[in-house]
Amino acid sequence: ETGVTQTPRHLVMGMTNKKSLKCEQHLGHNAMYWYKQSAKKPLELMFVYNFKEQTENNSVPSRFSPECPNSSHLFLHLHTLQPEDSALYLCASSPWPGFDTGELFFGEGSRLTVL
Amino acid sequence: KQEVTQIPAALSVPEGENLVLNCSFTDSAIYNLQWFRQDPGKGLTSLLLIQSSQREQTSGRLNASLDKSSGRSTLYIAASQPGDSATYLCAVKGTSGTYKYIFGTGTRLKVLA
Repeated sequence: ETGVTQTPRHLVMGMTNKKSLKCEQHLGHNAMYWYKQSAKKPLELMFVYNFKEQTENNSVPSRFSPECPNSSHLFLHLHTLQPEDSALYLCASSPWPGFDTGELFFGEGSRLTVL
Repeated sequence: KQEVTQIPAALSVPEGENLVLNCSFTDSAIYNLQWFRQDPGKGLTSLLLIQSSQREQTSGRLNASLDKSSGRSTLYIAASQPGDSATYLCAVKGTSGTYKYIFGTGTRLKVLA
C-alpha cells in the first residue's frame, strides 16, 4: 500500500462518545499533519508532528487529542465533541522542508458527523 | 500574517477552453507554493509544486507560474475537459522554519461537455 491512508472514511458519533481517527503514511516522510476542512472555510491546520514530536498546535480545543507513536502513524482521539466539530478531517505528510521540497501529500479524509 | 486568496470562487466554462486560476498571497517570503485538486468529499491531490527559486512548473496540460514580488501564482489549464471539474486550491509555505502551509479557499471549476 502506498501514499497516505486514513480510517475510518466516515464516522458518526454522539457528543458523549469517544472515537479515534487513524492515519498511516507509506512515503517515508517525517512530518505528519491534521487539517480540518469545514464548508466554505480554508483548510485549518490543527497539529503538526516532526519525527514524533509535536511542533505545532494551532489552538485546538482539548477535546481533540493527537498521538504520534512513530513517523508513520498519526491518531486523532475525539471525545465530548460538539456538532460544530462536524467536518472533513484530513491527514497529510511531507518530508522535512529543509532537506527536500516539502511537498505535502494528503489522505482521502475522514468525514465526521457529530450528532 | 500570511493570507492566501483565490479568485474567482467558482468558474464554469465550456469544454475545450483554456483557463487561468489565480492565487494571491500577502507575504512574499515563501518557501514554496503548491497547487492541489480536490474532488467532492475526497482528499487533496497534489498537482504542481513551485519552489521559491522557480518561476513555473508544467505537468501535462497544467502550467503553474509564480511571481513572488507581486505575490501571485496562476494555474493555467489548457484544453479543459469535463474530468477537470473539481475544486482547485493553492497553499504557500513560509520560510520561517515552520511546517505551516496556508491555504486559500479554492476555486470550484465546472467544465461543461
